[in-house]
Amino acid sequence: DAKTTQPTSMDCAEGRAANLPCNHSTISGNEYVYWYRQIHSQGPQYIIHGLKNNETNEMASLIITEDRKSSTLILPHATLRDTAVYYCIVWGGQAGTALIFGKGTTLSVSS
Amino acid sequence: EPEVTQTPSHQVTQMGQEVILRCVPISNHLYFYWYRQILGQKVEFLVSFYNNEISEKSEIFDDQFSVERPDGSNFTLKIRSTKLEDSAMYFCASSEAAGSTFYEQYFGPGTRLTVT
Repeated sequence: DAKTTQPTSMDCAEGRAANLPCNHSTISGNEYVYWYRQIHSQGPQYIIHGLKNNETNEMASLIITEDRKSSTLILPHATLRDTAVYYCIVWGGQAGTALIFGKGTTLSVSS
Repeated sequence: EPEVTQTPSHQVTQMGQEVILRCVPISNHLYFYWYRQILGQKVEFLVSFYNNEISEKSEIFDDQFSVERPDGSNFTLKIRSTKLEDSAMYFCASSEAAGSTFYEQYFGPGTRLTVT
């Protein structure tokens, strides 16, 4: 089973920041927090990952609390194309091992 | 940008028939995966493959399923005798090999399998 808890759904206005929370209170010291998203039944798309430091790339920022029990994915300026299901996944990161998907958060961006 | 490709995009088959789903992973990737997603449900791991061997498999991946790397570019999932409950989206993914820092998996667009 997934080791994360996410809200079922969230809404965001276009152009505003979307902040998607995730709880992972049982995360182990060597496990990473990965974020993927799935747009309308397409293949999941990798967004970002982190261990304990905050991370930023061209798609998003990831804020991980100091105790690593929760994190927030930030889409700084959400667009309609960001409407998707967002998955927070705790994963050891080893090649060949399974990603365990939960139900994720359905983010709806509206104009 | 390199991407994982899958064919066909949609496959319809009759119950009991064999199907082969095809994937072309990203060219410098050496780990390959299959996942499936039944309509309205979670994405589920089936199997991972490296160096012509299965690395890990789930309980779903029973004797009806097999995987193969028939040549240097394709990676296939075979279902020997399809059942109605095999109807799902099947996603192929690939990731880099040892020596990389991280092994994030990159997914293809999926094949929708409909068993009638």
